[in-house]
Amino acid sequence: SQTIHQWPATLVQPVGSPLSLECTVEGTSNPNLYWYRQAAGRGLQLLFYSVGIGQISSEVPQNLSASRPQDRQFILSSKKLLLSDSGFYLCAWSPGGGREAFFGQGTRLTVV
Amino acid sequence: TQLLEQSPQFLSIQEGENLTVYCNSSSVFSSLQWYRQEPGEGPVLLVTVVTGGEVKKLKRLTFQFGDARKDSSLHITAAQPGDTGLYLCAGDPQGAQKLVFGQGTRLTINP
Repeated sequence: SQTIHQWPATLVQPVGSPLSLECTVEGTSNPNLYWYRQAAGRGLQLLFYSVGIGQISSEVPQNLSASRPQDRQFILSSKKLLLSDSGFYLCAWSPGGGREAFFGQGTRLTVV
Repeated sequence: TQLLEQSPQFLSIQEGENLTVYCNSSSVFSSLQWYRQEPGEGPVLLVTVVTGGEVKKLKRLTFQFGDARKDSSLHITAAQPGDTGLYLCAGDPQGAQKLVFGQGTRLTINP
């Protein structure tokens, strides 16, 4: 069966510090991978998605970047965090074709 | 701009009542999905609809995909307190491999 791991679960970082969130998927190959950000109690904003190794599509211009160094690994990064980067970050995977996403447990990021 | 418009954004009703949540777009989608999310967790898939006009039932929940594949609805019959949560619609726009979400509907069922 397929599983998705996302870590850490919570993170408190000072303004201006770097960020690295990691997500890995097991039990499948060549998945579509996604990073979303969610404001409290609201919908998910698509940040980045990837259909293959090294292929990254950015949806929203911002202070973040993403990389896919391996087939089942997706990394969200920032060189210098802003207060506005605080939020609930979710990684997800789907079979090729973009439907039926399966989510990790999320990372609660607080920038102070 | 929001590709998927979900309404209402907040809904509070009494146990036993019926309700409908809507998900609308001006774009055509290859499929639409509905998810439910609990606080502090990732969304969990409830259903996927693929064919225009398709209707799927999951116990007291009925999901419908619009004929033109631009909209969907979620109807709950005889709502129960256990139905309380955040309901999200999502879809993959035709010709794209990304998955976009609506703003969510915060549903509260009062005993």
